[in-house]
Amino acid sequence: KAGVTQTPRYLIKTRGQQVTLSCSPISGHRSVSWYQQTPGQGLQFLFEYFSETQRNKGNFPGRFSGRQFSNSRSEMNVSTLELGDSALYLCASSLSGQGGYGAYNEQFFGPGTRLTVL
Amino acid sequence: AQSVTQLDSHVSVSEGTPVLLRCNYSSSYSPSLFWYVQHPNKGLQLLLKYTSAATLVKGINGFEAEFKKSETSFHLTKPSAHMSDAAEYFCVVSNAGKSTFGDGTTLTVKP
Repeated sequence: KAGVTQTPRYLIKTRGQQVTLSCSPISGHRSVSWYQQTPGQGLQFLFEYFSETQRNKGNFPGRFSGRQFSNSRSEMNVSTLELGDSALYLCASSLSGQGGYGAYNEQFFGPGTRLTVL
Repeated sequence: AQSVTQLDSHVSVSEGTPVLLRCNYSSSYSPSLFWYVQHPNKGLQLLLKYTSAATLVKGINGFEAEFKKSETSFHLTKPSAHMSDAAEYFCVVSNAGKSTFGDGTTLTVKP
């Protein structure tokens, strides 16, 4: 079974530009979550999509947005890029997502997209 | 509200000696707990998970963790470190629709 794939793997942009990252989950997985990883802030949750709907959201500004398609593939968009957006962006898929109380939700991570903003 | 504290940002051991990576958590409800490992320039890989079944959880590559509710801890251990274990390790608490990651512990293994 193929794992989670993310494209592109590396990206260099300049301040003010926008960027779109793509994530293809494991076949059959309906939930896709996005995370930002930086040396200073660690791993921070951006949002989760399940069946084309955003189900959970972290504390990021509105410049960060996403969507999920009917085949569960997901895209993340960052508009008006800032230097501080330089990070490794990780996508994770799971069967049922982040669930409810007491539910376990094993996530499978992709290799990430390394975004550098100059 | 939930939170995770990984008590050590760096741990260094010699090859063949035991590994202990410490994690304390806080959660309003019975959480699911995970340990993930991240090798340089790679994504995260699940080592093991606790989901309210057995309190001693065995994972891949010889790792295990014990859930102690009274101490709100979920420490990761391995009897004998291998060079390939050198990586960053994340403790994760998950409940009520959100996952919270610890700040990570970098494990160094000396030959």
